[in-house]
Amino acid sequence: QKEVEQNSGPLSVPEGAIASLNCTYSDRVSQSFFWYRQYSGKSPELIMSIYSNGDKEDGRFTAQLNKASQYVSLLIRDSQPSDSATYLCAVRGSGGGADGLTFGKGTHLIIQP
Amino acid sequence: DADVTQTPRNRITKTGKRIMLECSQTKGHDRMYWYRQDPGLGLRLIYYSFDVKDINKGEISDGYSVSRQAQAKFSLSLESAIPNQTALYFCATSDQHGGHSYNEQFFGPGTRLTVL
Repeated sequence: QKEVEQNSGPLSVPEGAIASLNCTYSDRVSQSFFWYRQYSGKSPELIMSIYSNGDKEDGRFTAQLNKASQYVSLLIRDSQPSDSATYLCAVRGSGGGADGLTFGKGTHLIIQP
Repeated sequence: DADVTQTPRNRITKTGKRIMLECSQTKGHDRMYWYRQDPGLGLRLIYYSFDVKDINKGEISDGYSVSRQAQAKFSLSLESAIPNQTALYFCATSDQHGGHSYNEQFFGPGTRLTVL
């Protein structure tokens, strides 16, 4: 059974600070990793994807992957109130006929003005 | 115009009724998925399809069926709805071409289903 674990929060961060979101996964052969943002009552929106160990930056967002530790993180710099949402970590396995993503339950992030 | 659309957006029905949720996409993607989201349980995969001839069960397919009528259309049916199928249902698409980017999935707006 593939598992993706996230701290449910809420994680409260002051406006302008760095928000750090963490995720661990159980399937060692996982190949692809994603961060989605979901506002209450809305659909998940893809914000970052990462496939190789190390950091990937896109604007205010940085995804970090450490496959040896089975750990993925998302950093949000200069946090804004509009960043307040639930952040979902998702993992895709190695294939073998299975597709789709395994999601964590999400971390609720609150940016305090 | 939205790339992935779902109809209806909200539906209330009674136990035992047959329900169909529809998903259409204009992204030209080959792969389509159905997920459900429950509070405290996160998103779970119900069915996925690689093309019109390829349908696969996901983690929680019992009580559901699907139909891939065309590349752009993927329907989810509840043959006899029960209250624990009350959830938010999402359709998603991805592109099978182009290296790693084919893993990226894009979600529709969702259907909120309530079974009384």
